[in-house]
Amino acid sequence: SQQGEEDPQALSIQEGENATMNCSYKTSINNLQWYRQNSGRGLVHLILIRSNEREKHSGRLRVTLDTSKKSSSLLITASRAADTASYFCATDEGSNYKLTFGKGTLLTVNP
Amino acid sequence: NAGVMQNPRHLVRRRGQEARLRCSPMKGHSHVYWYRQLPEEGLKFMVYLQKENIIDESGMPKERFSAEFPKEGPSILRIQQVVRGDSAAYFCASSPPDGRGTEAFFGQGTRLTVV
Repeated sequence: SQQGEEDPQALSIQEGENATMNCSYKTSINNLQWYRQNSGRGLVHLILIRSNEREKHSGRLRVTLDTSKKSSSLLITASRAADTASYFCATDEGSNYKLTFGKGTLLTVNP
Repeated sequence: NAGVMQNPRHLVRRRGQEARLRCSPMKGHSHVYWYRQLPEEGLKFMVYLQKENIIDESGMPKERFSAEFPKEGPSILRIQQVVRGDSAAYFCASSPPDGRGTEAFFGQGTRLTVV
């Protein structure tokens, strides 16, 4: 699998439920980021977590990073229909300018 | 303070035509990065430019694609003799001189459709 691989590829839940998406990567990183993309739209930066951090919160978002397992998870609590989007993780592979994106998780939140 | 501005937002070209995509970085940013997103895929790095210099073009297809970032004006991604496989969303990001490209700000993208 390629760097920054998200899992699952697609996730469908009901409004109010929590959504968890995972990302795995292969090489060492300085930081890992999560982005949201609504269908046919631009990228929205959600959160950045550095390699020396284990957990970070932003509103209804919670991101964890386990550098020993080379994995990260994004948890969206109390989901809303407006959270329906594709979610991508991106890593820097130790580079200071190049991001490597996964293929994303398509989240559908049903009202 | 406007964000990264890309235009046009949507571009339709016939096979064989040229496509020119523009990116105006955020004010004070002198580093620009272009990424391509094929349908149902994540973004893929194409090229990293500083003013008047190409720093890393390892993600650019060898033929038909070129990029520039002149001293004045926007960065341009140029695709000559477009083919259907060039249909994609092209995103630009920018960062300040002392910033990291991995923490750059992205534009809204240009969606190129080749018919």
